[in-house]
Parts: sequence; structure tokens; C-alpha cells
Amino acid sequence: GQNIDQPTEMTATEGAIVQINCTYQTSGFNGLFWYQQHAGEAPTFLSYNVLDGLEEKGRFSSFLSRSKGYSYLLLKELQMKDSASYLCAALDSNYQLIWGAGTKLIIKP
Amino acid sequence: DGGITQSPKYLFRKEGQNVTLSCEQNLNHDAMYWYRQDPGQGLRLIYYSQIVNDFQKGDIAEGYSVSREKKESFPLTVTSAQKNPTAFYLCASSRVAGAGTDTQYFGPGTRLTVL
Repeated sequence: GQNIDQPTEMTATEGAIVQINCTYQTSGFNGLFWYQQHAGEAPTFLSYNVLDGLEEKGRFSSFLSRSKGYSYLLLKELQMKDSASYLCAALDSNYQLIWGAGTKLIIKP
Repeated sequence: DGGITQSPKYLFRKEGQNVTLSCEQNLNHDAMYWYRQDPGQGLRLIYYSQIVNDFQKGDIAEGYSVSREKKESFPLTVTSAQKNPTAFYLCASSRVAGAGTDTQYFGPGTRLTVL
């Protein structure tokens, strides 16, 4: 079966760095997305990786290892507004998105 | 400005009633999607449409119906056959379907509560 695993909840301190991991098992693979979702709101696109390696976008970076079926989202210089759920989603061989349940990130002052 | 709109934001219905959720986009996207989000679970695909007058079932289509008569609009009807309809419903669109780099953009969602 197809499966995405990510931690349910993480806590970090304002100004610190946090890494949110995601492992995936899909039938075929056409890339991995990260979305941010504040409570009660729509998911918003953060990043897309299809090749191995690290992609940096300001305070957020996303890493992919296709051989390990693994990705992470790295958030630097954490701000209170970064408190949200972070959704990992893999694109399978049929170009369907398989979604993880999301990681709720709590930022403490 | 361009975007995806869903209405209403909150919807209450009595058990046994059909209800239609609206989704409109002015991004000129070809593909549109409906997802359901429940606490502690990933988004689950209900229906998707790649072009006008065509749509495909997703993983949990039972108890739902859709239409795609216009490129901009993709309404979802939650029928009385849906056994557990209370959920957060998200509509999304993308420029094309079946393209790896084509990002899905989401509307603000409709929270449906069936009493």
C-alpha cells in the first residue's frame, strides 16, 4: 500500500531551528510537496522536490533522498507565526498526491 | 485578484439532506479537485476533473457527486448516502493535471456539520 509517515506533533522555541521528517512509500514517485496549514485555513504551498538534494527558500529548506524514501522540511529562525501544521505529500506514478496526516508545530516564546 | 473561492465557510445541515458546496477559480486552471480533511488524517481525494465535462472518482467518492459544466466551477454535492459527512472540505486547482511540477492551490475550505 501507499503510505506517508510524519510525526504528529513537534515543539520548538522561537528563534531556533526545527526539522520535520517525512518518509514515503508509493507506487512510483514523481516528486514530493510540502504545504503549510494554519488551523482552520487552506494549505499553502511551500516546496516541491523531485531530485535528490536540498532546496533553500529563505528561512525554509526542503531535502529529498529518493533512494531512502525520505524528505525533511527545515525551518530556521522560527517565528510565532510558523505555528501551524506541515503537510507532506508524495506524487505517485499516476500523478495522484498521497498525503501525510500532517505535523503540528508548536512554537514557544 | 486571482484565486479560489469556496462558499460558505461554515455549513450546517440536518441528517438526510443533500447539500452542495461551491468552488470557483479564476486562475484559468484546467484541473480541479475536492478533498476531505478529518482530524488526524491526511487529505483524502473525493473527485477530480482534468477538463470541462469530465471528472474522475478519487479514493472516497461514495456518497458524493460533482459536475464540471464550466472551467471555473466545480461544485460538490454531499448526498444523504454519505455516512459520515461532517468534515472540512477543501477544493483545489492546478494548471494541468498529471504533471509533476504542477502545484495544487487550495481554497479556504468549507466546514460542514451535519446535525
